[in-house]
Amino acid sequence: NAGVTQTPKFRVLKTGQSMTLLCAQDMNHEYMYWYRQDPGMGLRLIHYSVGEGTTAKGEVPDGYNVSRLKKQNFLLGLESAAPSQTSVYFCASSPHAKGYTFGSGTRLTVV
Amino acid sequence: AQSVTQLDSHVSVSEGTPVLLRCNYSSSYSPSLFWYVQHPNKGLQLLLKYTSAATLVKGINGFEAEFKKSETSFHLTKPSAHMSDAAEYFCVVSAPPTGANNLFFGTGTRLTVIP
Repeated sequence: NAGVTQTPKFRVLKTGQSMTLLCAQDMNHEYMYWYRQDPGMGLRLIHYSVGEGTTAKGEVPDGYNVSRLKKQNFLLGLESAAPSQTSVYFCASSPHAKGYTFGSGTRLTVV
Repeated sequence: AQSVTQLDSHVSVSEGTPVLLRCNYSSSYSPSLFWYVQHPNKGLQLLLKYTSAATLVKGINGFEAEFKKSETSFHLTKPSAHMSDAAEYFCVVSAPPTGANNLFFGTGTRLTVIP
């Protein structure tokens, strides 16, 4: 049972480039989340989804887009990367917004 | 509104001595509270959770936390620190279950264990 899998684990982008981070869960969870983690701060919610085909903005959504075309996958897109988006990104899933399972993170550097 | 304050950004203890990581919370509702641990370059692992059952919660690796409503605290303790406990610890409060966007993280406490 893989749980929550994030790909890639590391990535370096140039300013202005685009990329997509993939989160996949095999637990049939309804809720999925994307967080970013920055030094000295807790995790901050970027976007989340309460089910297939739905998405909603979190605390820090600007510069990101998401899609949930399949229940098991939640994609996070950066259309035009900026240095301020250098961070560690975590995906999480939950069956009922109480018990969360986190992925191991994606370390993104924008130069 | 929900929020979490971790009172220490860094705690340093000697191996074999007790660990205390402090967390105060604010919640308009009866909260669910969690402690997560993050080892270097790893994801977040759930240590323990409080969901309105017993106020003293036992977690993995010998950690415990006590929910004190009168003090709005949920401090994490361990009687004897081990080198493998060195990590970042996050206190988290959960808003009512009707909201999907409902986890609020503290800023973290880095635990250093001195041999």
